Amino acid sequence: DIQMTQSPASLSASLGETVSIECLASEGISNDLAWYQQKSGKSPQLLIYAASRLQDGVPSRFSGSGSGTRYSLKISGMQPEDEADYFCQQSYKYPLTFGSGTKLEIK
Amino acid sequence: QVQLQQSGAELVKPGTSVKLSCKASGYTFTSNHMNWIKQTTGQGLEWIGIINPGSGGTSYNVKFKGKATLTVDKSSSTAFMQLSSLTPEDSAVYYCARDYGGRRFDYWGQGVMVTVSS
Repeated sequence: DIQMTQSPASLSASLGETVSIECLASEGISNDLAWYQQKSGKSPQLLIYAASRLQDGVPSRFSGSGSGTRYSLKISGMQPEDEADYFCQQSYKYPLTFGSGTKLEIK
Repeated sequence: QVQLQQSGAELVKPGTSVKLSCKASGYTFTSNHMNWIKQTTGQGLEWIGIINPGSGGTSYNVKFKGKATLTVDKSSSTAFMQLSSLTPEDSAVYYCARDYGGRRFDYWGQGVMVTVSS
């Protein structure tokens, strides 16, 4: 199985700050990577797919980048509604696997 | 609009089985595969398996083979997951999630909490 190592486990940011979350795959995944946001008590929501493509309706302050085994999610200008857990997921091959998550809080 | 409506919370005894449902609406049920995902505080998110509602074909994470069985009822646009021989380690929130093509999930059910306890 492909292991997804996500960092940091938690992060605190001020409003307007730019934050980055990283995922490292145990093997190359050819940009087959998605990012999800999960707010407290809610289901995950797709933010980014194919490493850098923004899902419809997702604010443009969210962006994704990376290649090979290293990928990142950037939030340019932290907003109150961005407080949530974030997960990466490789869609390269089965079994599909997720990162362990990053808890993002407002400082 | 696309909606995935899951059945309610379950409290079940060890050794028994439970069948969860996920009713789809707002799109053609057979046009998208359906995934099931387990979430726990300790293990995070785990992909259980996927079913093609059109053919009934399935693919499972080896970890969940023998534990989970995925089926569909096309007439009611509903996907099901049966979990068998339940143990406390099966206590979790279970989600159904529509496959967006490319093995990613664009719509999720609201999740159902399964608690296995005597």
